[in-house]
Amino acid sequence: EADIYQTPRYLVIGTGKKITLECSQTMGHDKMYWYQQDPGMELHLIHYSYGVNSTEKGDLSSESTVSRIRTEHFPLTLESARPSHTSQYLCASKGWDSYEQYFGPGTRLTVT
Amino acid sequence: GNSVTQMEGPVTLSEEAFLTINCTYTATGYPSLFWYVQYPGEGLQLLLKATKADDKGSNKGFEATYRKETTSFHLEKGSVQVSDSAVYFCALSDPSKAGTALIFGKGTTLSVSS
Repeated sequence: EADIYQTPRYLVIGTGKKITLECSQTMGHDKMYWYQQDPGMELHLIHYSYGVNSTEKGDLSSESTVSRIRTEHFPLTLESARPSHTSQYLCASKGWDSYEQYFGPGTRLTVT
Repeated sequence: GNSVTQMEGPVTLSEEAFLTINCTYTATGYPSLFWYVQYPGEGLQLLLKATKADDKGSNKGFEATYRKETTSFHLEKGSVQVSDSAVYFCALSDPSKAGTALIFGKGTTLSVSS
């Protein structure tokens, strides 16, 4: 079983607030990813990282930012939440020599 | 560029019916292919994978065969259960780009009734 964790699982927050979604993995994986999942279930890559101090933007433009100061930790931050940010956010990781990604349980964000 | 196309849902079946969810891909080279499943309120779990042509991935009664000639990786199960109700995603990974993310299809929702 994959050891990748996301907190909080559910978050309801008002417009304009700053939020950080946490993602941690204990598998020592170099690569980590953030996906945004829309109500139609389609997944969009918004950020990824190859390792410590490496962050890249994904295919879908996002107002969020990420950091990778430690191998096991890949938090996502929204400086000023808006209703358009309401979505499910999924974190994933994989090892250098593997093509298989392991996913966390997701954070369902609602911005009112 | 690489892409994945899977059949649109929802797919509604009775328990013990046969399931097929079609998936085709476009890719340069020889990608690895995956099926992921997402149960309600959860993240994605790897269901099965195949890394080269003619490989058959299987798990929990589900099967999919990597068909290079038809660029397909259709998911099948002989007898579905209510507990199989979930969203299924077909995905590919470019083996020449081990660092890049998976490319997912849009997902197919399966609903099984008793």
